[in-house]
Amino acid sequence: DAKTTQPTSMDCAEGRAANLPCNHSTISGNEYVYWYRQIHSQGPQYIIHGLKNNETNEMASLIITEDRKSSTLILPHATLRDTAVYYCIVRPSDRGSTLGRLYFGRGTQLTVWP
Amino acid sequence: DAGITQSPRHKVTETGTPVTLRCHQTENHRYMYWYRQDPGHGLRLIHYSYGVKDTDKGEVSDGYSVSRSKTEDFLLTLESATSSQTSVYFCASWAGKGETQYFGPGTRLLVL
Repeated sequence: DAKTTQPTSMDCAEGRAANLPCNHSTISGNEYVYWYRQIHSQGPQYIIHGLKNNETNEMASLIITEDRKSSTLILPHATLRDTAVYYCIVRPSDRGSTLGRLYFGRGTQLTVWP
Repeated sequence: DAGITQSPRHKVTETGTPVTLRCHQTENHRYMYWYRQDPGHGLRLIHYSYGVKDTDKGEVSDGYSVSRSKTEDFLLTLESATSSQTSVYFCASWAGKGETQYFGPGTRLLVL
C-alpha cells in the first residue's frame, strides 16, 4: 500500500519553481523518500531520493522536514517538458520483506503552462 | 534509463493465445520486476525476481508466469491471454540496498 498522500493536481508557470508536497506521516526510521515521474505513459523516471537530509541533483531538490513526516520536491525552473505525473514513494533502505518493490499511489499531475 | 529494454513495445493478440514479453537489462542488477499499469490503479506488481531462477508473486499474479534463466533477462508469459490483461506492462530492475530502481519504456498489450 502506498504510504504517501499527494495532491491530485497542480500547475505552474514555465520558468517558475514547482513545489510538489508529499505527506508520509507514518514513515519509519529506515525508509527513504523517493520521487519518480511519468511523462505521458512512458516508464517512470527516477528523480531523487533522500533519508533525512535535503538532497539536490541536476533535476530537482528534495526538502524533508525535520520530523520526516512530509517532504517537498522542488523543480527550480519548470519547463513544459516537466509536465508529468509525479510520484512520492517511501521504501525501506534494505531489502526487507518488500524486496525492493515500489508502491505507487496516484501521484500529482503537474501541468506547466507557457 | 540504466539500459533496460522491453520487447515488443506494442502487441495486439487474441483471447486465448499465449503471449511472452521480454525485459532485458545490461546493468547486472540482481532484482527485476514486472508491473502493470491501468487507468485508476497506478502501477501494480505482477511478479518479481531476486536472482536467476528465483521468482515470486506480486499482488496481481493470476494468469501470469515468469522465468529468469539469465541475470539480464526476465520474461513475463500470459499463458492464455484475456481481455482483462489489456494493459501497459513495465519492467524494472534494481541493484539492491540504497540503489535506484530503473524502469523500462513499457509494452502496450491489447487483447481482443
